[in-house]
Amino acid sequence: EAQVTQNPRYLITVTGKKLTVTCSQNMNHEYMSWYRQDPGLGLRQIYYSMNVEVTDKGDVPEGYKVSRKEKRNFPLILESPSPNQTSLYFCASSLWHSNSPLHFGNGTRLTVT
Amino acid sequence: GQQVMQIPQYQHVQEGEDFTTYCNSSTTLSNIQWYKQRPGGHPVFLIQLVKSGEVKKQKRLTFQFGEAKKNSSLHITATQTTDVGTYFCAANSGNTPLVFGKGTRLSVIA
Repeated sequence: EAQVTQNPRYLITVTGKKLTVTCSQNMNHEYMSWYRQDPGLGLRQIYYSMNVEVTDKGDVPEGYKVSRKEKRNFPLILESPSPNQTSLYFCASSLWHSNSPLHFGNGTRLTVT
Repeated sequence: GQQVMQIPQYQHVQEGEDFTTYCNSSTTLSNIQWYKQRPGGHPVFLIQLVKSGEVKKQKRLTFQFGEAKKNSSLHITATQTTDVGTYFCAANSGNTPLVFGKGTRLSVIA
């Protein structure tokens, strides 16, 4: 089944403790992206990648890192999480950059205390 | 950066009434996409519009792209409880990343 898989679904952590949210897609998509969703703010792009080893900042990249060593994986790294990074995170992929439909993972609800 | 304004933020309708959400941009758009997110779920792609004046239909849903390619609308005829959720537009100009509107949350009262 074609899908984008994110893990974990839920995560509660403390300020400053490094964490990684994994994202994997099995559709051979070139483009992958991370978004955060907050009430009243919609979906805001954190980072995106147009291909292996190519990553770019989105609208809200501060406090986040990503890597794209393989086509299928695009992990999101929070080196030192802070409470303002409490949010719902979505990974998404598409065949090509921007002009093809995005396939979203099920989301990761992160709470930083 | 590019912004996409989506209105209204919330809409409450009686089952059977129609519903419309609008997206507007100050710049000419290359393409606009619409997504639906059910409560507790993830956004799911509905449709993509690329041509000026384009109209597409999916059962009770009608999608339009403005003649100037600066606005779009999603209209639902005779809403049902299964239509509940948040509807997002997402658009870009050229090869820039998609920018999402803030969404319209639809509630349907049976």
